[in-house]
Amino acid sequence: ETGVTQTPRHLVMGMTNKKSLKCEQHLGHNAMYWYKQSAKKPLELMFVYSLEERVENNSVPSRFSPECPNSSHLFLHLHTLQPEDSALYLCASSQDEGTTGELFFGEGSRLTVL
Amino acid sequence: GENVEQHPSTLSVQEGDSAVIKCTYSDSASNYFPWYKQELGKRPQLIIDIRSNVGEKKDQRIAVTLNKTAKHFSLHITETQPEDSAVYFCAASKDTNAGKSTFGDGTTLTVKP
Repeated sequence: ETGVTQTPRHLVMGMTNKKSLKCEQHLGHNAMYWYKQSAKKPLELMFVYSLEERVENNSVPSRFSPECPNSSHLFLHLHTLQPEDSALYLCASSQDEGTTGELFFGEGSRLTVL
Repeated sequence: GENVEQHPSTLSVQEGDSAVIKCTYSDSASNYFPWYKQELGKRPQLIIDIRSNVGEKKDQRIAVTLNKTAKHFSLHITETQPEDSAVYFCAASKDTNAGKSTFGDGTTLTVKP
């Protein structure tokens, strides 16, 4: 499979649950990102990984914990979330973190926190 | 940091008409301006981009113009078709931070047949 793949596509969890979102890219890219997309808000950059190293954390609450075990995989671990965390979480990749160029997005994981 | 404003938030046109979406940015150091299209339930996809050393770029029915002095750029879609209906996002970033683009709020374009 090519491109950027995210699983699960839909997730419902309670505030006390622990779950994880997974992203996999088959493009040979070196940089991966997590974005949050809420209704009527712009895309919000959450985390940036370059060559498996976190290079940016945009003041994201600690209840979101990213993990990048290798350049093809990115996880977002979720625990004790709040209802306002319900959103579409988009993973993206690019050739390199430090150069201009296209972001390739996954189709997103729709998260609902009850 | 960078601030990107996008207008209008919604736009409805008749098939065959033109559509224009405008964005302004605040950081004069930004020099890369991509536009993404997101169809309902689908992923955002790059449709066109422009760098600050160019004033205009065209790709078939889509064009983007950039005014660096005024710090604004626009997306122009001519001869719109129903399949152009989607949410369009503009973004701005600096050379060394392409993946950290600041996005506009998005414009929902509806093309009526």
